[in-house]
Amino acid sequence: IAGITQAPTSQILAAGRRMTLRCTQDMRHNAMYWYRQDLGLGLRLIHYSNTAGTTGKGEVPDGYSVSRANTDDFPLTLASAVPSQTSVYFCASSENGGAEETQYFGPGTRLLVL
Amino acid sequence: GQNIDQPTEMTATEGAIVQINCTYQTSGFNGLFWYQQHAGEAPTFLSYNVLDGLEEKGRFSSFLSRSKGYSYLLLKELQMKDSASYLCAVMDSNYQLIWGAGTKLIIKP
Repeated sequence: IAGITQAPTSQILAAGRRMTLRCTQDMRHNAMYWYRQDLGLGLRLIHYSNTAGTTGKGEVPDGYSVSRANTDDFPLTLASAVPSQTSVYFCASSENGGAEETQYFGPGTRLLVL
Repeated sequence: GQNIDQPTEMTATEGAIVQINCTYQTSGFNGLFWYQQHAGEAPTFLSYNVLDGLEEKGRFSSFLSRSKGYSYLLLKELQMKDSASYLCAVMDSNYQLIWGAGTKLIIKP
């Protein structure tokens, strides 16, 4: 593994189903993020974690939950998917979540909720 | 509210120079980032400005004026591979990135 990996690459999901998007990084970064990207809109922060064991809410957290049991993994769960959650989801990480730090992105998960 | 504005789309010719502007209004300022995103791919880091002035990195330069809430990305000697979206993002007082919608740059031969 080099950098950040996400799984699955893409998924079609029936509304009401539960889904977990996986994210793993091997850079030993403390801070991790989940964004969604929709056409015509900027990336929007869903949840973040500044260190293992802690999480925080971003701009659009409703309908999503996260956990950070260890440094490497940061899964995002949709408890009961709705069509408005159709989007491209990017996981990102940075060294400590502070100023001047570059965020590095995974390849994304394309999710279609029907 | 927080707001990042950049043009939706720009067209330029191979070998030419293009300037992509970004204006922002955010709660606090901890630096401005430019990212490049090719279609269907992840954003990748291009530049970071926290002080006023010009930062040059090869064919790409980025400028910041904090008093005007303004930045631009300058791309010189355009190549076809520069066709991509360019994302402007500001780090706010909570160290969270606020993103613009991106500028799609089309390069014509």
